[in-house]
Amino acid sequence: GENVEQHPSTLSVQEGDSAVIKCTYSDSASNYFPWYKQELGKRPQLIIDIRSNVGEKKDQRIAVTLNKTAKHFSLHITETQPEDSAVYFCAASEGNQGGKLIFGQGTELSVKP
Amino acid sequence: EAGVTQFPSHSVIEKGQTVTLRCDPISGHDNLYWYRRVMGKEIKFLLHFVKESKQDESGMPNNRFLAERTGGTYSTLKVQPAELEDSGVYFCASSGQGNTIYFGEGSWLTVV
Repeated sequence: GENVEQHPSTLSVQEGDSAVIKCTYSDSASNYFPWYKQELGKRPQLIIDIRSNVGEKKDQRIAVTLNKTAKHFSLHITETQPEDSAVYFCAASEGNQGGKLIFGQGTELSVKP
Repeated sequence: EAGVTQFPSHSVIEKGQTVTLRCDPISGHDNLYWYRRVMGKEIKFLLHFVKESKQDESGMPNNRFLAERTGGTYSTLKVQPAELEDSGVYFCASSGQGNTIYFGEGSWLTVV
């Protein structure tokens, strides 16, 4: 089955700097890769996703890149703000039939003012 | 439109007791998932319903966990008898025709 590895586990940046979180996956059939942001005590919120037919997707300060050959994908946050502080999870679909997601271990991002 | 709702939001029970968690998916979503996050670790898949049928229950830890989705609407997850290691946050999620999966706020379970 699918296995997703996420790094780093913790990341601390100064406000205004960029943050990058990386994930690798094992199942070459995976075709959907969402990123979730979870603030303390809140639900995981989808912030951006990418499908396997696209190499990069951007939404304002957030971008995701996907390298299918290497089986890794990354989240890039530019001009970080204190409200970006949260735990970020990457995920990959198991296979290409949609449905079940396999999550990475999470990255705790801290943005210092 | 209402999101995924879960009840209770928090529950503290003693080891050996029973707890039942409820999830109401987004209206019209056929797919309903249960996930669990234990002690700050990753979010782990438990099972997946398509309407009232269990599509995949490979993540269920053991037979102390029972999930149902009567009528293909809301779902319940029962833990009986609860053990200390069952403590964690139980998330329900749902999706419609596309891949996008929407999560509920979670049910925080503490077994003492």
